[in-house]
Amino acid sequence: TQLLEQSPQFLSIQEGENLTVYCNSSSVFSSLQWYRQEPGEGPVLLVTVVTGGEVKKLKRLTFQFGDARKDSSLHITAAQPGDTGLYLCAGPWSSARQLTFGSGTQLTVLP
Amino acid sequence: AAGVIQSPRHLIKEKRETATLKCYPIPRHDTVYWYQQGPGQDPQFLISFYEKMQSDKGSIPDRFSAQQFSDYHSELNMSSLELGDSALYFCASSLGWAEQFFGPGTRLTVL
Repeated sequence: TQLLEQSPQFLSIQEGENLTVYCNSSSVFSSLQWYRQEPGEGPVLLVTVVTGGEVKKLKRLTFQFGDARKDSSLHITAAQPGDTGLYLCAGPWSSARQLTFGSGTQLTVLP
Repeated sequence: AAGVIQSPRHLIKEKRETATLKCYPIPRHDTVYWYQQGPGQDPQFLISFYEKMQSDKGSIPDRFSAQQFSDYHSELNMSSLELGDSALYFCASSLGWAEQFFGPGTRLTVL
């Protein structure tokens, strides 16, 4: 059983469309990170959300942390082909420092 | 800015051979983590070190061992390699409990 469930698993959209990726858990996380990973490369940190209800914006990307700190979402506005990649949410679970990862969302943006 | 360095980037070994993966964390980062990512899977935590001492242990096989040296670089030693060990191995580093930054990974192929 995955501690962090991401949906959808796969998403293929046209350039210019908007999309939202969800990361849900039944457990409370002290923080959640979002990473983007290209094939054969390491995950690249996009953002960290810490406070329940927090919203962070990174250009066309908007990240939200749920009030109860059990879920998070990533919204991309006007997606571009360069946004294509595997999006992973991750967080330190319980008192551990290591990250527990979500199952990932593979995004493909078609030109 | 300096990033996490991993070497080698690619490694091909035969079954039952040994392999050593190296990780050089971001300067001044005191914590190193090792993750294994199989094809189509999310990264799974193996082991971590804080200030040169092992801090957490995940799903690391007994055939694997790791250590962190006085200069904070870390090595993952893998013996009696099996076909199932073929994967991407990532090292990440952090300063204390702060965000983890990942290296580019080592792709290990066991034939």
